[in-house]
Amino acid sequence: EVVMTQSQATLSVSPGDRATLSCRASQSVGRNLAWYQQRPGQAPRLLIYGASTRATGIPARFGGSGSGTEFTLTISSLQFEDFAVYYCQQYNNWPQTFGQGTKVESK
Amino acid sequence: QVQLQESGPRLVKPSETLSLTCSVSGYFINNDHFWGWIRQPPGKGLEWIGSIYHSGSTHYNPSLKSRVTLSIDTSNNQFSLNLRFVTAADTAVYYCARDGKHDSGALDYWGQGTLVTVSS
Repeated sequence: EVVMTQSQATLSVSPGDRATLSCRASQSVGRNLAWYQQRPGQAPRLLIYGASTRATGIPARFGGSGSGTEFTLTISSLQFEDFAVYYCQQYNNWPQTFGQGTKVESK
Repeated sequence: QVQLQESGPRLVKPSETLSLTCSVSGYFINNDHFWGWIRQPPGKGLEWIGSIYHSGSTHYNPSLKSRVTLSIDTSNNQFSLNLRFVTAADTAVYYCARDGKHDSGALDYWGQGTLVTVSS
């Protein structure tokens, strides 16, 4: 099983600033990596798939990069609605596995 | 637009079976996607439970495999989860989602989730 590690449990960022979230895989997953946003009381929402492709309707301020074992989600200018928990997920192998999540909070 | 909706009992007794159904609208589940279940204990992260294809082919989380069965009903455009011998540790919000095309993939459409509590 591929273990996904999000080393930042919490990230404190001011509105308008850039947020950089990291995700590491215990073995290569190629570019089969997705990012999700989860607001309180809501289901997760797909932001990025294929490591860098934005899902339908996702604003351009969300960007993904990386391949192999190291991945990054960048939010270029944080908006109020972006304060949430973010999860990475690998789907290169069954079983699919998620990182523990990074909570982006207001500084 | 693809929509998913979970349904089933919200309270299950310990040692009994948790059963949920996911009804899909806006997309035929006998098309080329897998369909998955994911859960989230209160205050914790996401855990993938398993996914099923319209052919009946399944993949399960090894940690739950001995207790989980997924099934699919293409005539009613829905798929189901059975989790046997539940304990308090199975208390969680259970989500259904559309999985990848022909294989494991990103989960692009999700149900709203349903909280299932295991308690006597």
